[in-house]
Amino acid sequence: EPEVTQTPSHQVTQMGQEVILRCVPISNHLYFYWYRQILGQKVEFLVSFYNNEISEKSEIFDDQFSVERPDGSNFTLKIRSTKLEDSAMYFCASLPSPRPTGVKGEQYFGPGTRLTVT
Amino acid sequence: GESVGLHLPTLSVQEGDNSIINCAYSNSASDYFIWYKQESGKGPQFIIDIRSNMDKRQGQRVTVLLNKTVKHLSLQIAATQPGDSAVYFCAESHTGGFKTIFGAGTRLFVKA
Repeated sequence: EPEVTQTPSHQVTQMGQEVILRCVPISNHLYFYWYRQILGQKVEFLVSFYNNEISEKSEIFDDQFSVERPDGSNFTLKIRSTKLEDSAMYFCASLPSPRPTGVKGEQYFGPGTRLTVT
Repeated sequence: GESVGLHLPTLSVQEGDNSIINCAYSNSASDYFIWYKQESGKGPQFIIDIRSNMDKRQGQRVTVLLNKTVKHLSLQIAATQPGDSAVYFCAESHTGGFKTIFGAGTRLFVKA
């Protein structure tokens, strides 16, 4: 069964450093998402991406964050200058397309990247 | 503001019993609701969804109920099994947008 993959599984970085989290969505999917989950807390939406542009973003997704789909397979999340509070699990998700009625179908989540900022 | 929350953070049930996990939402514009299961160390996994023009939807051993009057969502798991032990999140969205708002999560423990 196709899966969303994410690398690395764990990233440790120093405060102020740039990090790039990588995701390979399922190949025929069209919508891509990044979420984060601070330890023990709920999953928080960061950004959605469709047709090579951001379709929606949350208030968390400030100027320090950016996303890119550099080729036909990868989807990346960059944090320019990490802060301690960026420490979290980051999940990538993808979606094939909305159902014919326009309702969003099930999102497929990757296993996550644990980001630790020291 | 918009919020999706859960009534109980932890639920413990006996294997074979039915489980009911509840969720409240506050955004009246939401018209699409999803339940996810998250096992330790993994990403959320889709269980079942429901649109706001329905009040009940059934899947394999799971049923989602939607009460729009009181903005309440529930997930019923029939004949709960040890493999059902996980954190369950409700989430809301609307068909015109892309953002999905997750609730706080309920941890389900299944006792053998």
